[in-house]
Amino acid sequence: DTAVSQTPKYLVTQMGNDKSIKCEQNLGHDTMYWYKQDSKKFLKIMFSYNNKELIINETVPNRFSPKSPDKAHLNLHINSLELGDSAVYFCASSQGEGLYYEQYFGPGTRLTVT
Amino acid sequence: AQKITQTQPGMFVQEKEAVTLDCTYDTSDPSYGLFWYKQPSSGEMIFLIYQGSYDQQNATEGRYSLNFQKARKSANLVISASQLGDSAMYFCAMREPRSGNTPLVFGKGTRLSVIA
Repeated sequence: DTAVSQTPKYLVTQMGNDKSIKCEQNLGHDTMYWYKQDSKKFLKIMFSYNNKELIINETVPNRFSPKSPDKAHLNLHINSLELGDSAVYFCASSQGEGLYYEQYFGPGTRLTVT
Repeated sequence: AQKITQTQPGMFVQEKEAVTLDCTYDTSDPSYGLFWYKQPSSGEMIFLIYQGSYDQQNATEGRYSLNFQKARKSANLVISASQLGDSAMYFCAMREPRSGNTPLVFGKGTRLSVIA
C-alpha cells in the first residue's frame, strides 16, 4: 500500500497555464507538507497543513495555493506558471508536530514549464 | 546563515568500506530533532535515521549510525559495509520548535558513489 501518493508524476506545461498536483496519504497523519526541490537538489518547505489549517506559508509566490479538502489530502494549485517554477515538488506527511516525528515523502512530481 | 551545512558535495567509497557523511547544524534552541534522508536516482526520499537533541546515545539503524556531537553541533551519518545500492544523495535535516508546525530544514546534500 502506498503511504503518500502524488499525481501526476510528471507534468509538462507551458508558461501561463494553471495546473494542480494532488497528494494523498493513507497513514492517518495529522500534518502534511509541500516541499520544492530545485535543479541543484535543494529542498525547501513551501506549505504545511495541520488538521486542515494552514500553519506555515513560507515566502512563496501567491500563485501557489495549497488546498486541503480533508485530513488525508493536500493539493497544490499553481496559477500562471513561470519557467522558474520548473522543479520537483514533494508532498510529505507526519504523525504530528513533535520534533521526533519523521516525515514520509511522496514520490515527487517533476514539473517542467516550457 | 545556513541552518544545516553539508560540506561534501560528493563522496566516493569502496564497496564494503565504511563512510562518514558530515553534517553541522545551527540552532539556539535546546530542543531539536536531526534526520537523515536518502534520495536514490529514482527520486524518492527515504527516511534513514533520527537523533533527538536530548538523546544520550547515538542513534543506530542497521548499517546506519549517527555520530552526534552536541557541543560541536555535528550529526554525521556513518554507513558501515557500503553496498552498491547505497549510491544516492544524502540529506541532513533538522526540525526546531516553532509556533504551529515544524517543517524539515534541509542541507544541500552529499552525493555518495559506491565503487565496486
